[in-house]
Amino acid sequence: AQSVTQLDSQVPVFEEAPVELRCNYSSSVSVYLFWYVQYPNQGLQLLLKYLSGSTLVKGINGFEAEFNKSQTSFHLRKPSVHISDTAEYFCAVTLGGGNKLTFGTGTQLKVEL
Amino acid sequence: EAQVTQNPRYLITVTGKKLTVTCSQNMNHEYMSWYRQDPGLGLRQIYYSMNVEVTDKGDVPEGYKVSRKEKRNFPLILESPSPNQTSLYFCASREPYRVAEQFFGPGTRLTVL
Repeated sequence: AQSVTQLDSQVPVFEEAPVELRCNYSSSVSVYLFWYVQYPNQGLQLLLKYLSGSTLVKGINGFEAEFNKSQTSFHLRKPSVHISDTAEYFCAVTLGGGNKLTFGTGTQLKVEL
Repeated sequence: EAQVTQNPRYLITVTGKKLTVTCSQNMNHEYMSWYRQDPGLGLRQIYYSMNVEVTDKGDVPEGYKVSRKEKRNFPLILESPSPNQTSLYFCASREPYRVAEQFFGPGTRLTVL
């Protein structure tokens, strides 16, 4: 069975500082990995995805993530955050070619001045 | 514009009063699903449907019903709501196995008193 762990429930960071949101997955077969963002009082928006190919994936709003198969991780990074990045971020996984999307518990990113 | 719509967006009700949350998509997608989002638990799938008249349980189906009489609509029914069903609900649609192209609705915030 596939599962996703987001160890950090909240991450406070100052504006213009770098940030990393951690995501680890559990699966013995190939996976597709996703990061979604949920701005306050809004729905979910796809930030980026890894399906295959280059392990460094670039998404919208300057975010990127690196797929690390040996460490079963897909951490999300941004070199310099902005106040507008304040949101909840969800990591999600599906088995390669599978049909079920499993979400992590979410990480609340709070960017402060 | 491709979209998934949900109604109502906000609902406050009382224990035991049957309610229906509607979901409609205009992309002719075969696959539709319902999630609930709770703090610290992320998104969990309630029910999904692979096509018209084909529905199946997700991870947390207890207390919910769904129907899929038409391809575009996938209503979520709470026959006897209870306070533990207070949550934020999302409908989603896509083509089967095209997880990377899942569209989410805007969400329905339900409070059961």
